Amino acid sequence: DAGITQSPRHKVTETGTPVTLRCHQTENHRYMYWYRQDPGHGLRLIHYSYGVKDTDKGEVSDGYSVSRSKTEDFLLTLESATSSQTSVYFCASLGTSGTGGTDTQYFGPGTRLTVL
Amino acid sequence: GQQVMQIPQYQHVQEGEDFTTYCNSSTTLSNIQWYKQRPGGHPVFLIQLVKSGEVKKQKRLTFQFGEAKKNSSLHITATQTTDVGTYFCAVPISGSARQLTFGSGTQLTVLP
Repeated sequence: DAGITQSPRHKVTETGTPVTLRCHQTENHRYMYWYRQDPGHGLRLIHYSYGVKDTDKGEVSDGYSVSRSKTEDFLLTLESATSSQTSVYFCASLGTSGTGGTDTQYFGPGTRLTVL
Repeated sequence: GQQVMQIPQYQHVQEGEDFTTYCNSSTTLSNIQWYKQRPGGHPVFLIQLVKSGEVKKQKRLTFQFGEAKKNSSLHITATQTTDVGTYFCAVPISGSARQLTFGSGTQLTVLP
């Protein structure tokens, strides 16, 4: 697996508080992604980045913002957490796999966020 | 946006039985990827299919891409307990080759 780490791995917070999740990759990948995973919904794209300071919205971006000041770091911020944002959050970066050079998303270990 | 339906949502099999999960799209796909997520883990890339009618094998796993490039299947022969996990298909979002839409996944349980 590509060197992708996420912090924190677990977090419990209260409704209305700001929360920032960090994703760090050591592969110098240009593209990075934030997903949330909920039962029955698979992985849904929140935001993605196609370079330093270049970001765009995904399918479920409301209530979330992101920043990418360095290639290796991609931050996800919940400005005012709500209970509906309780989920497992995965970061991913885009690399290549196999002899054919297939674009492949490499995922971090995930952050389990609980909003009370 | 691009959507893909994946069935079944859950599957319980006895060890040694076969297993198949299906992904279906209403539009023609440029390619489809498959990922596996072990319980408590993160998704891991398995394979990409690109060509119409393509069949690829990885040991006991067989991946197929439909002739019309609108559906795909993952078949596991003689399941083992190590096959436990959730299998996702993923397809490119229309107009963006570097974004994926994931199916809802099939959670496989293998009973010893």
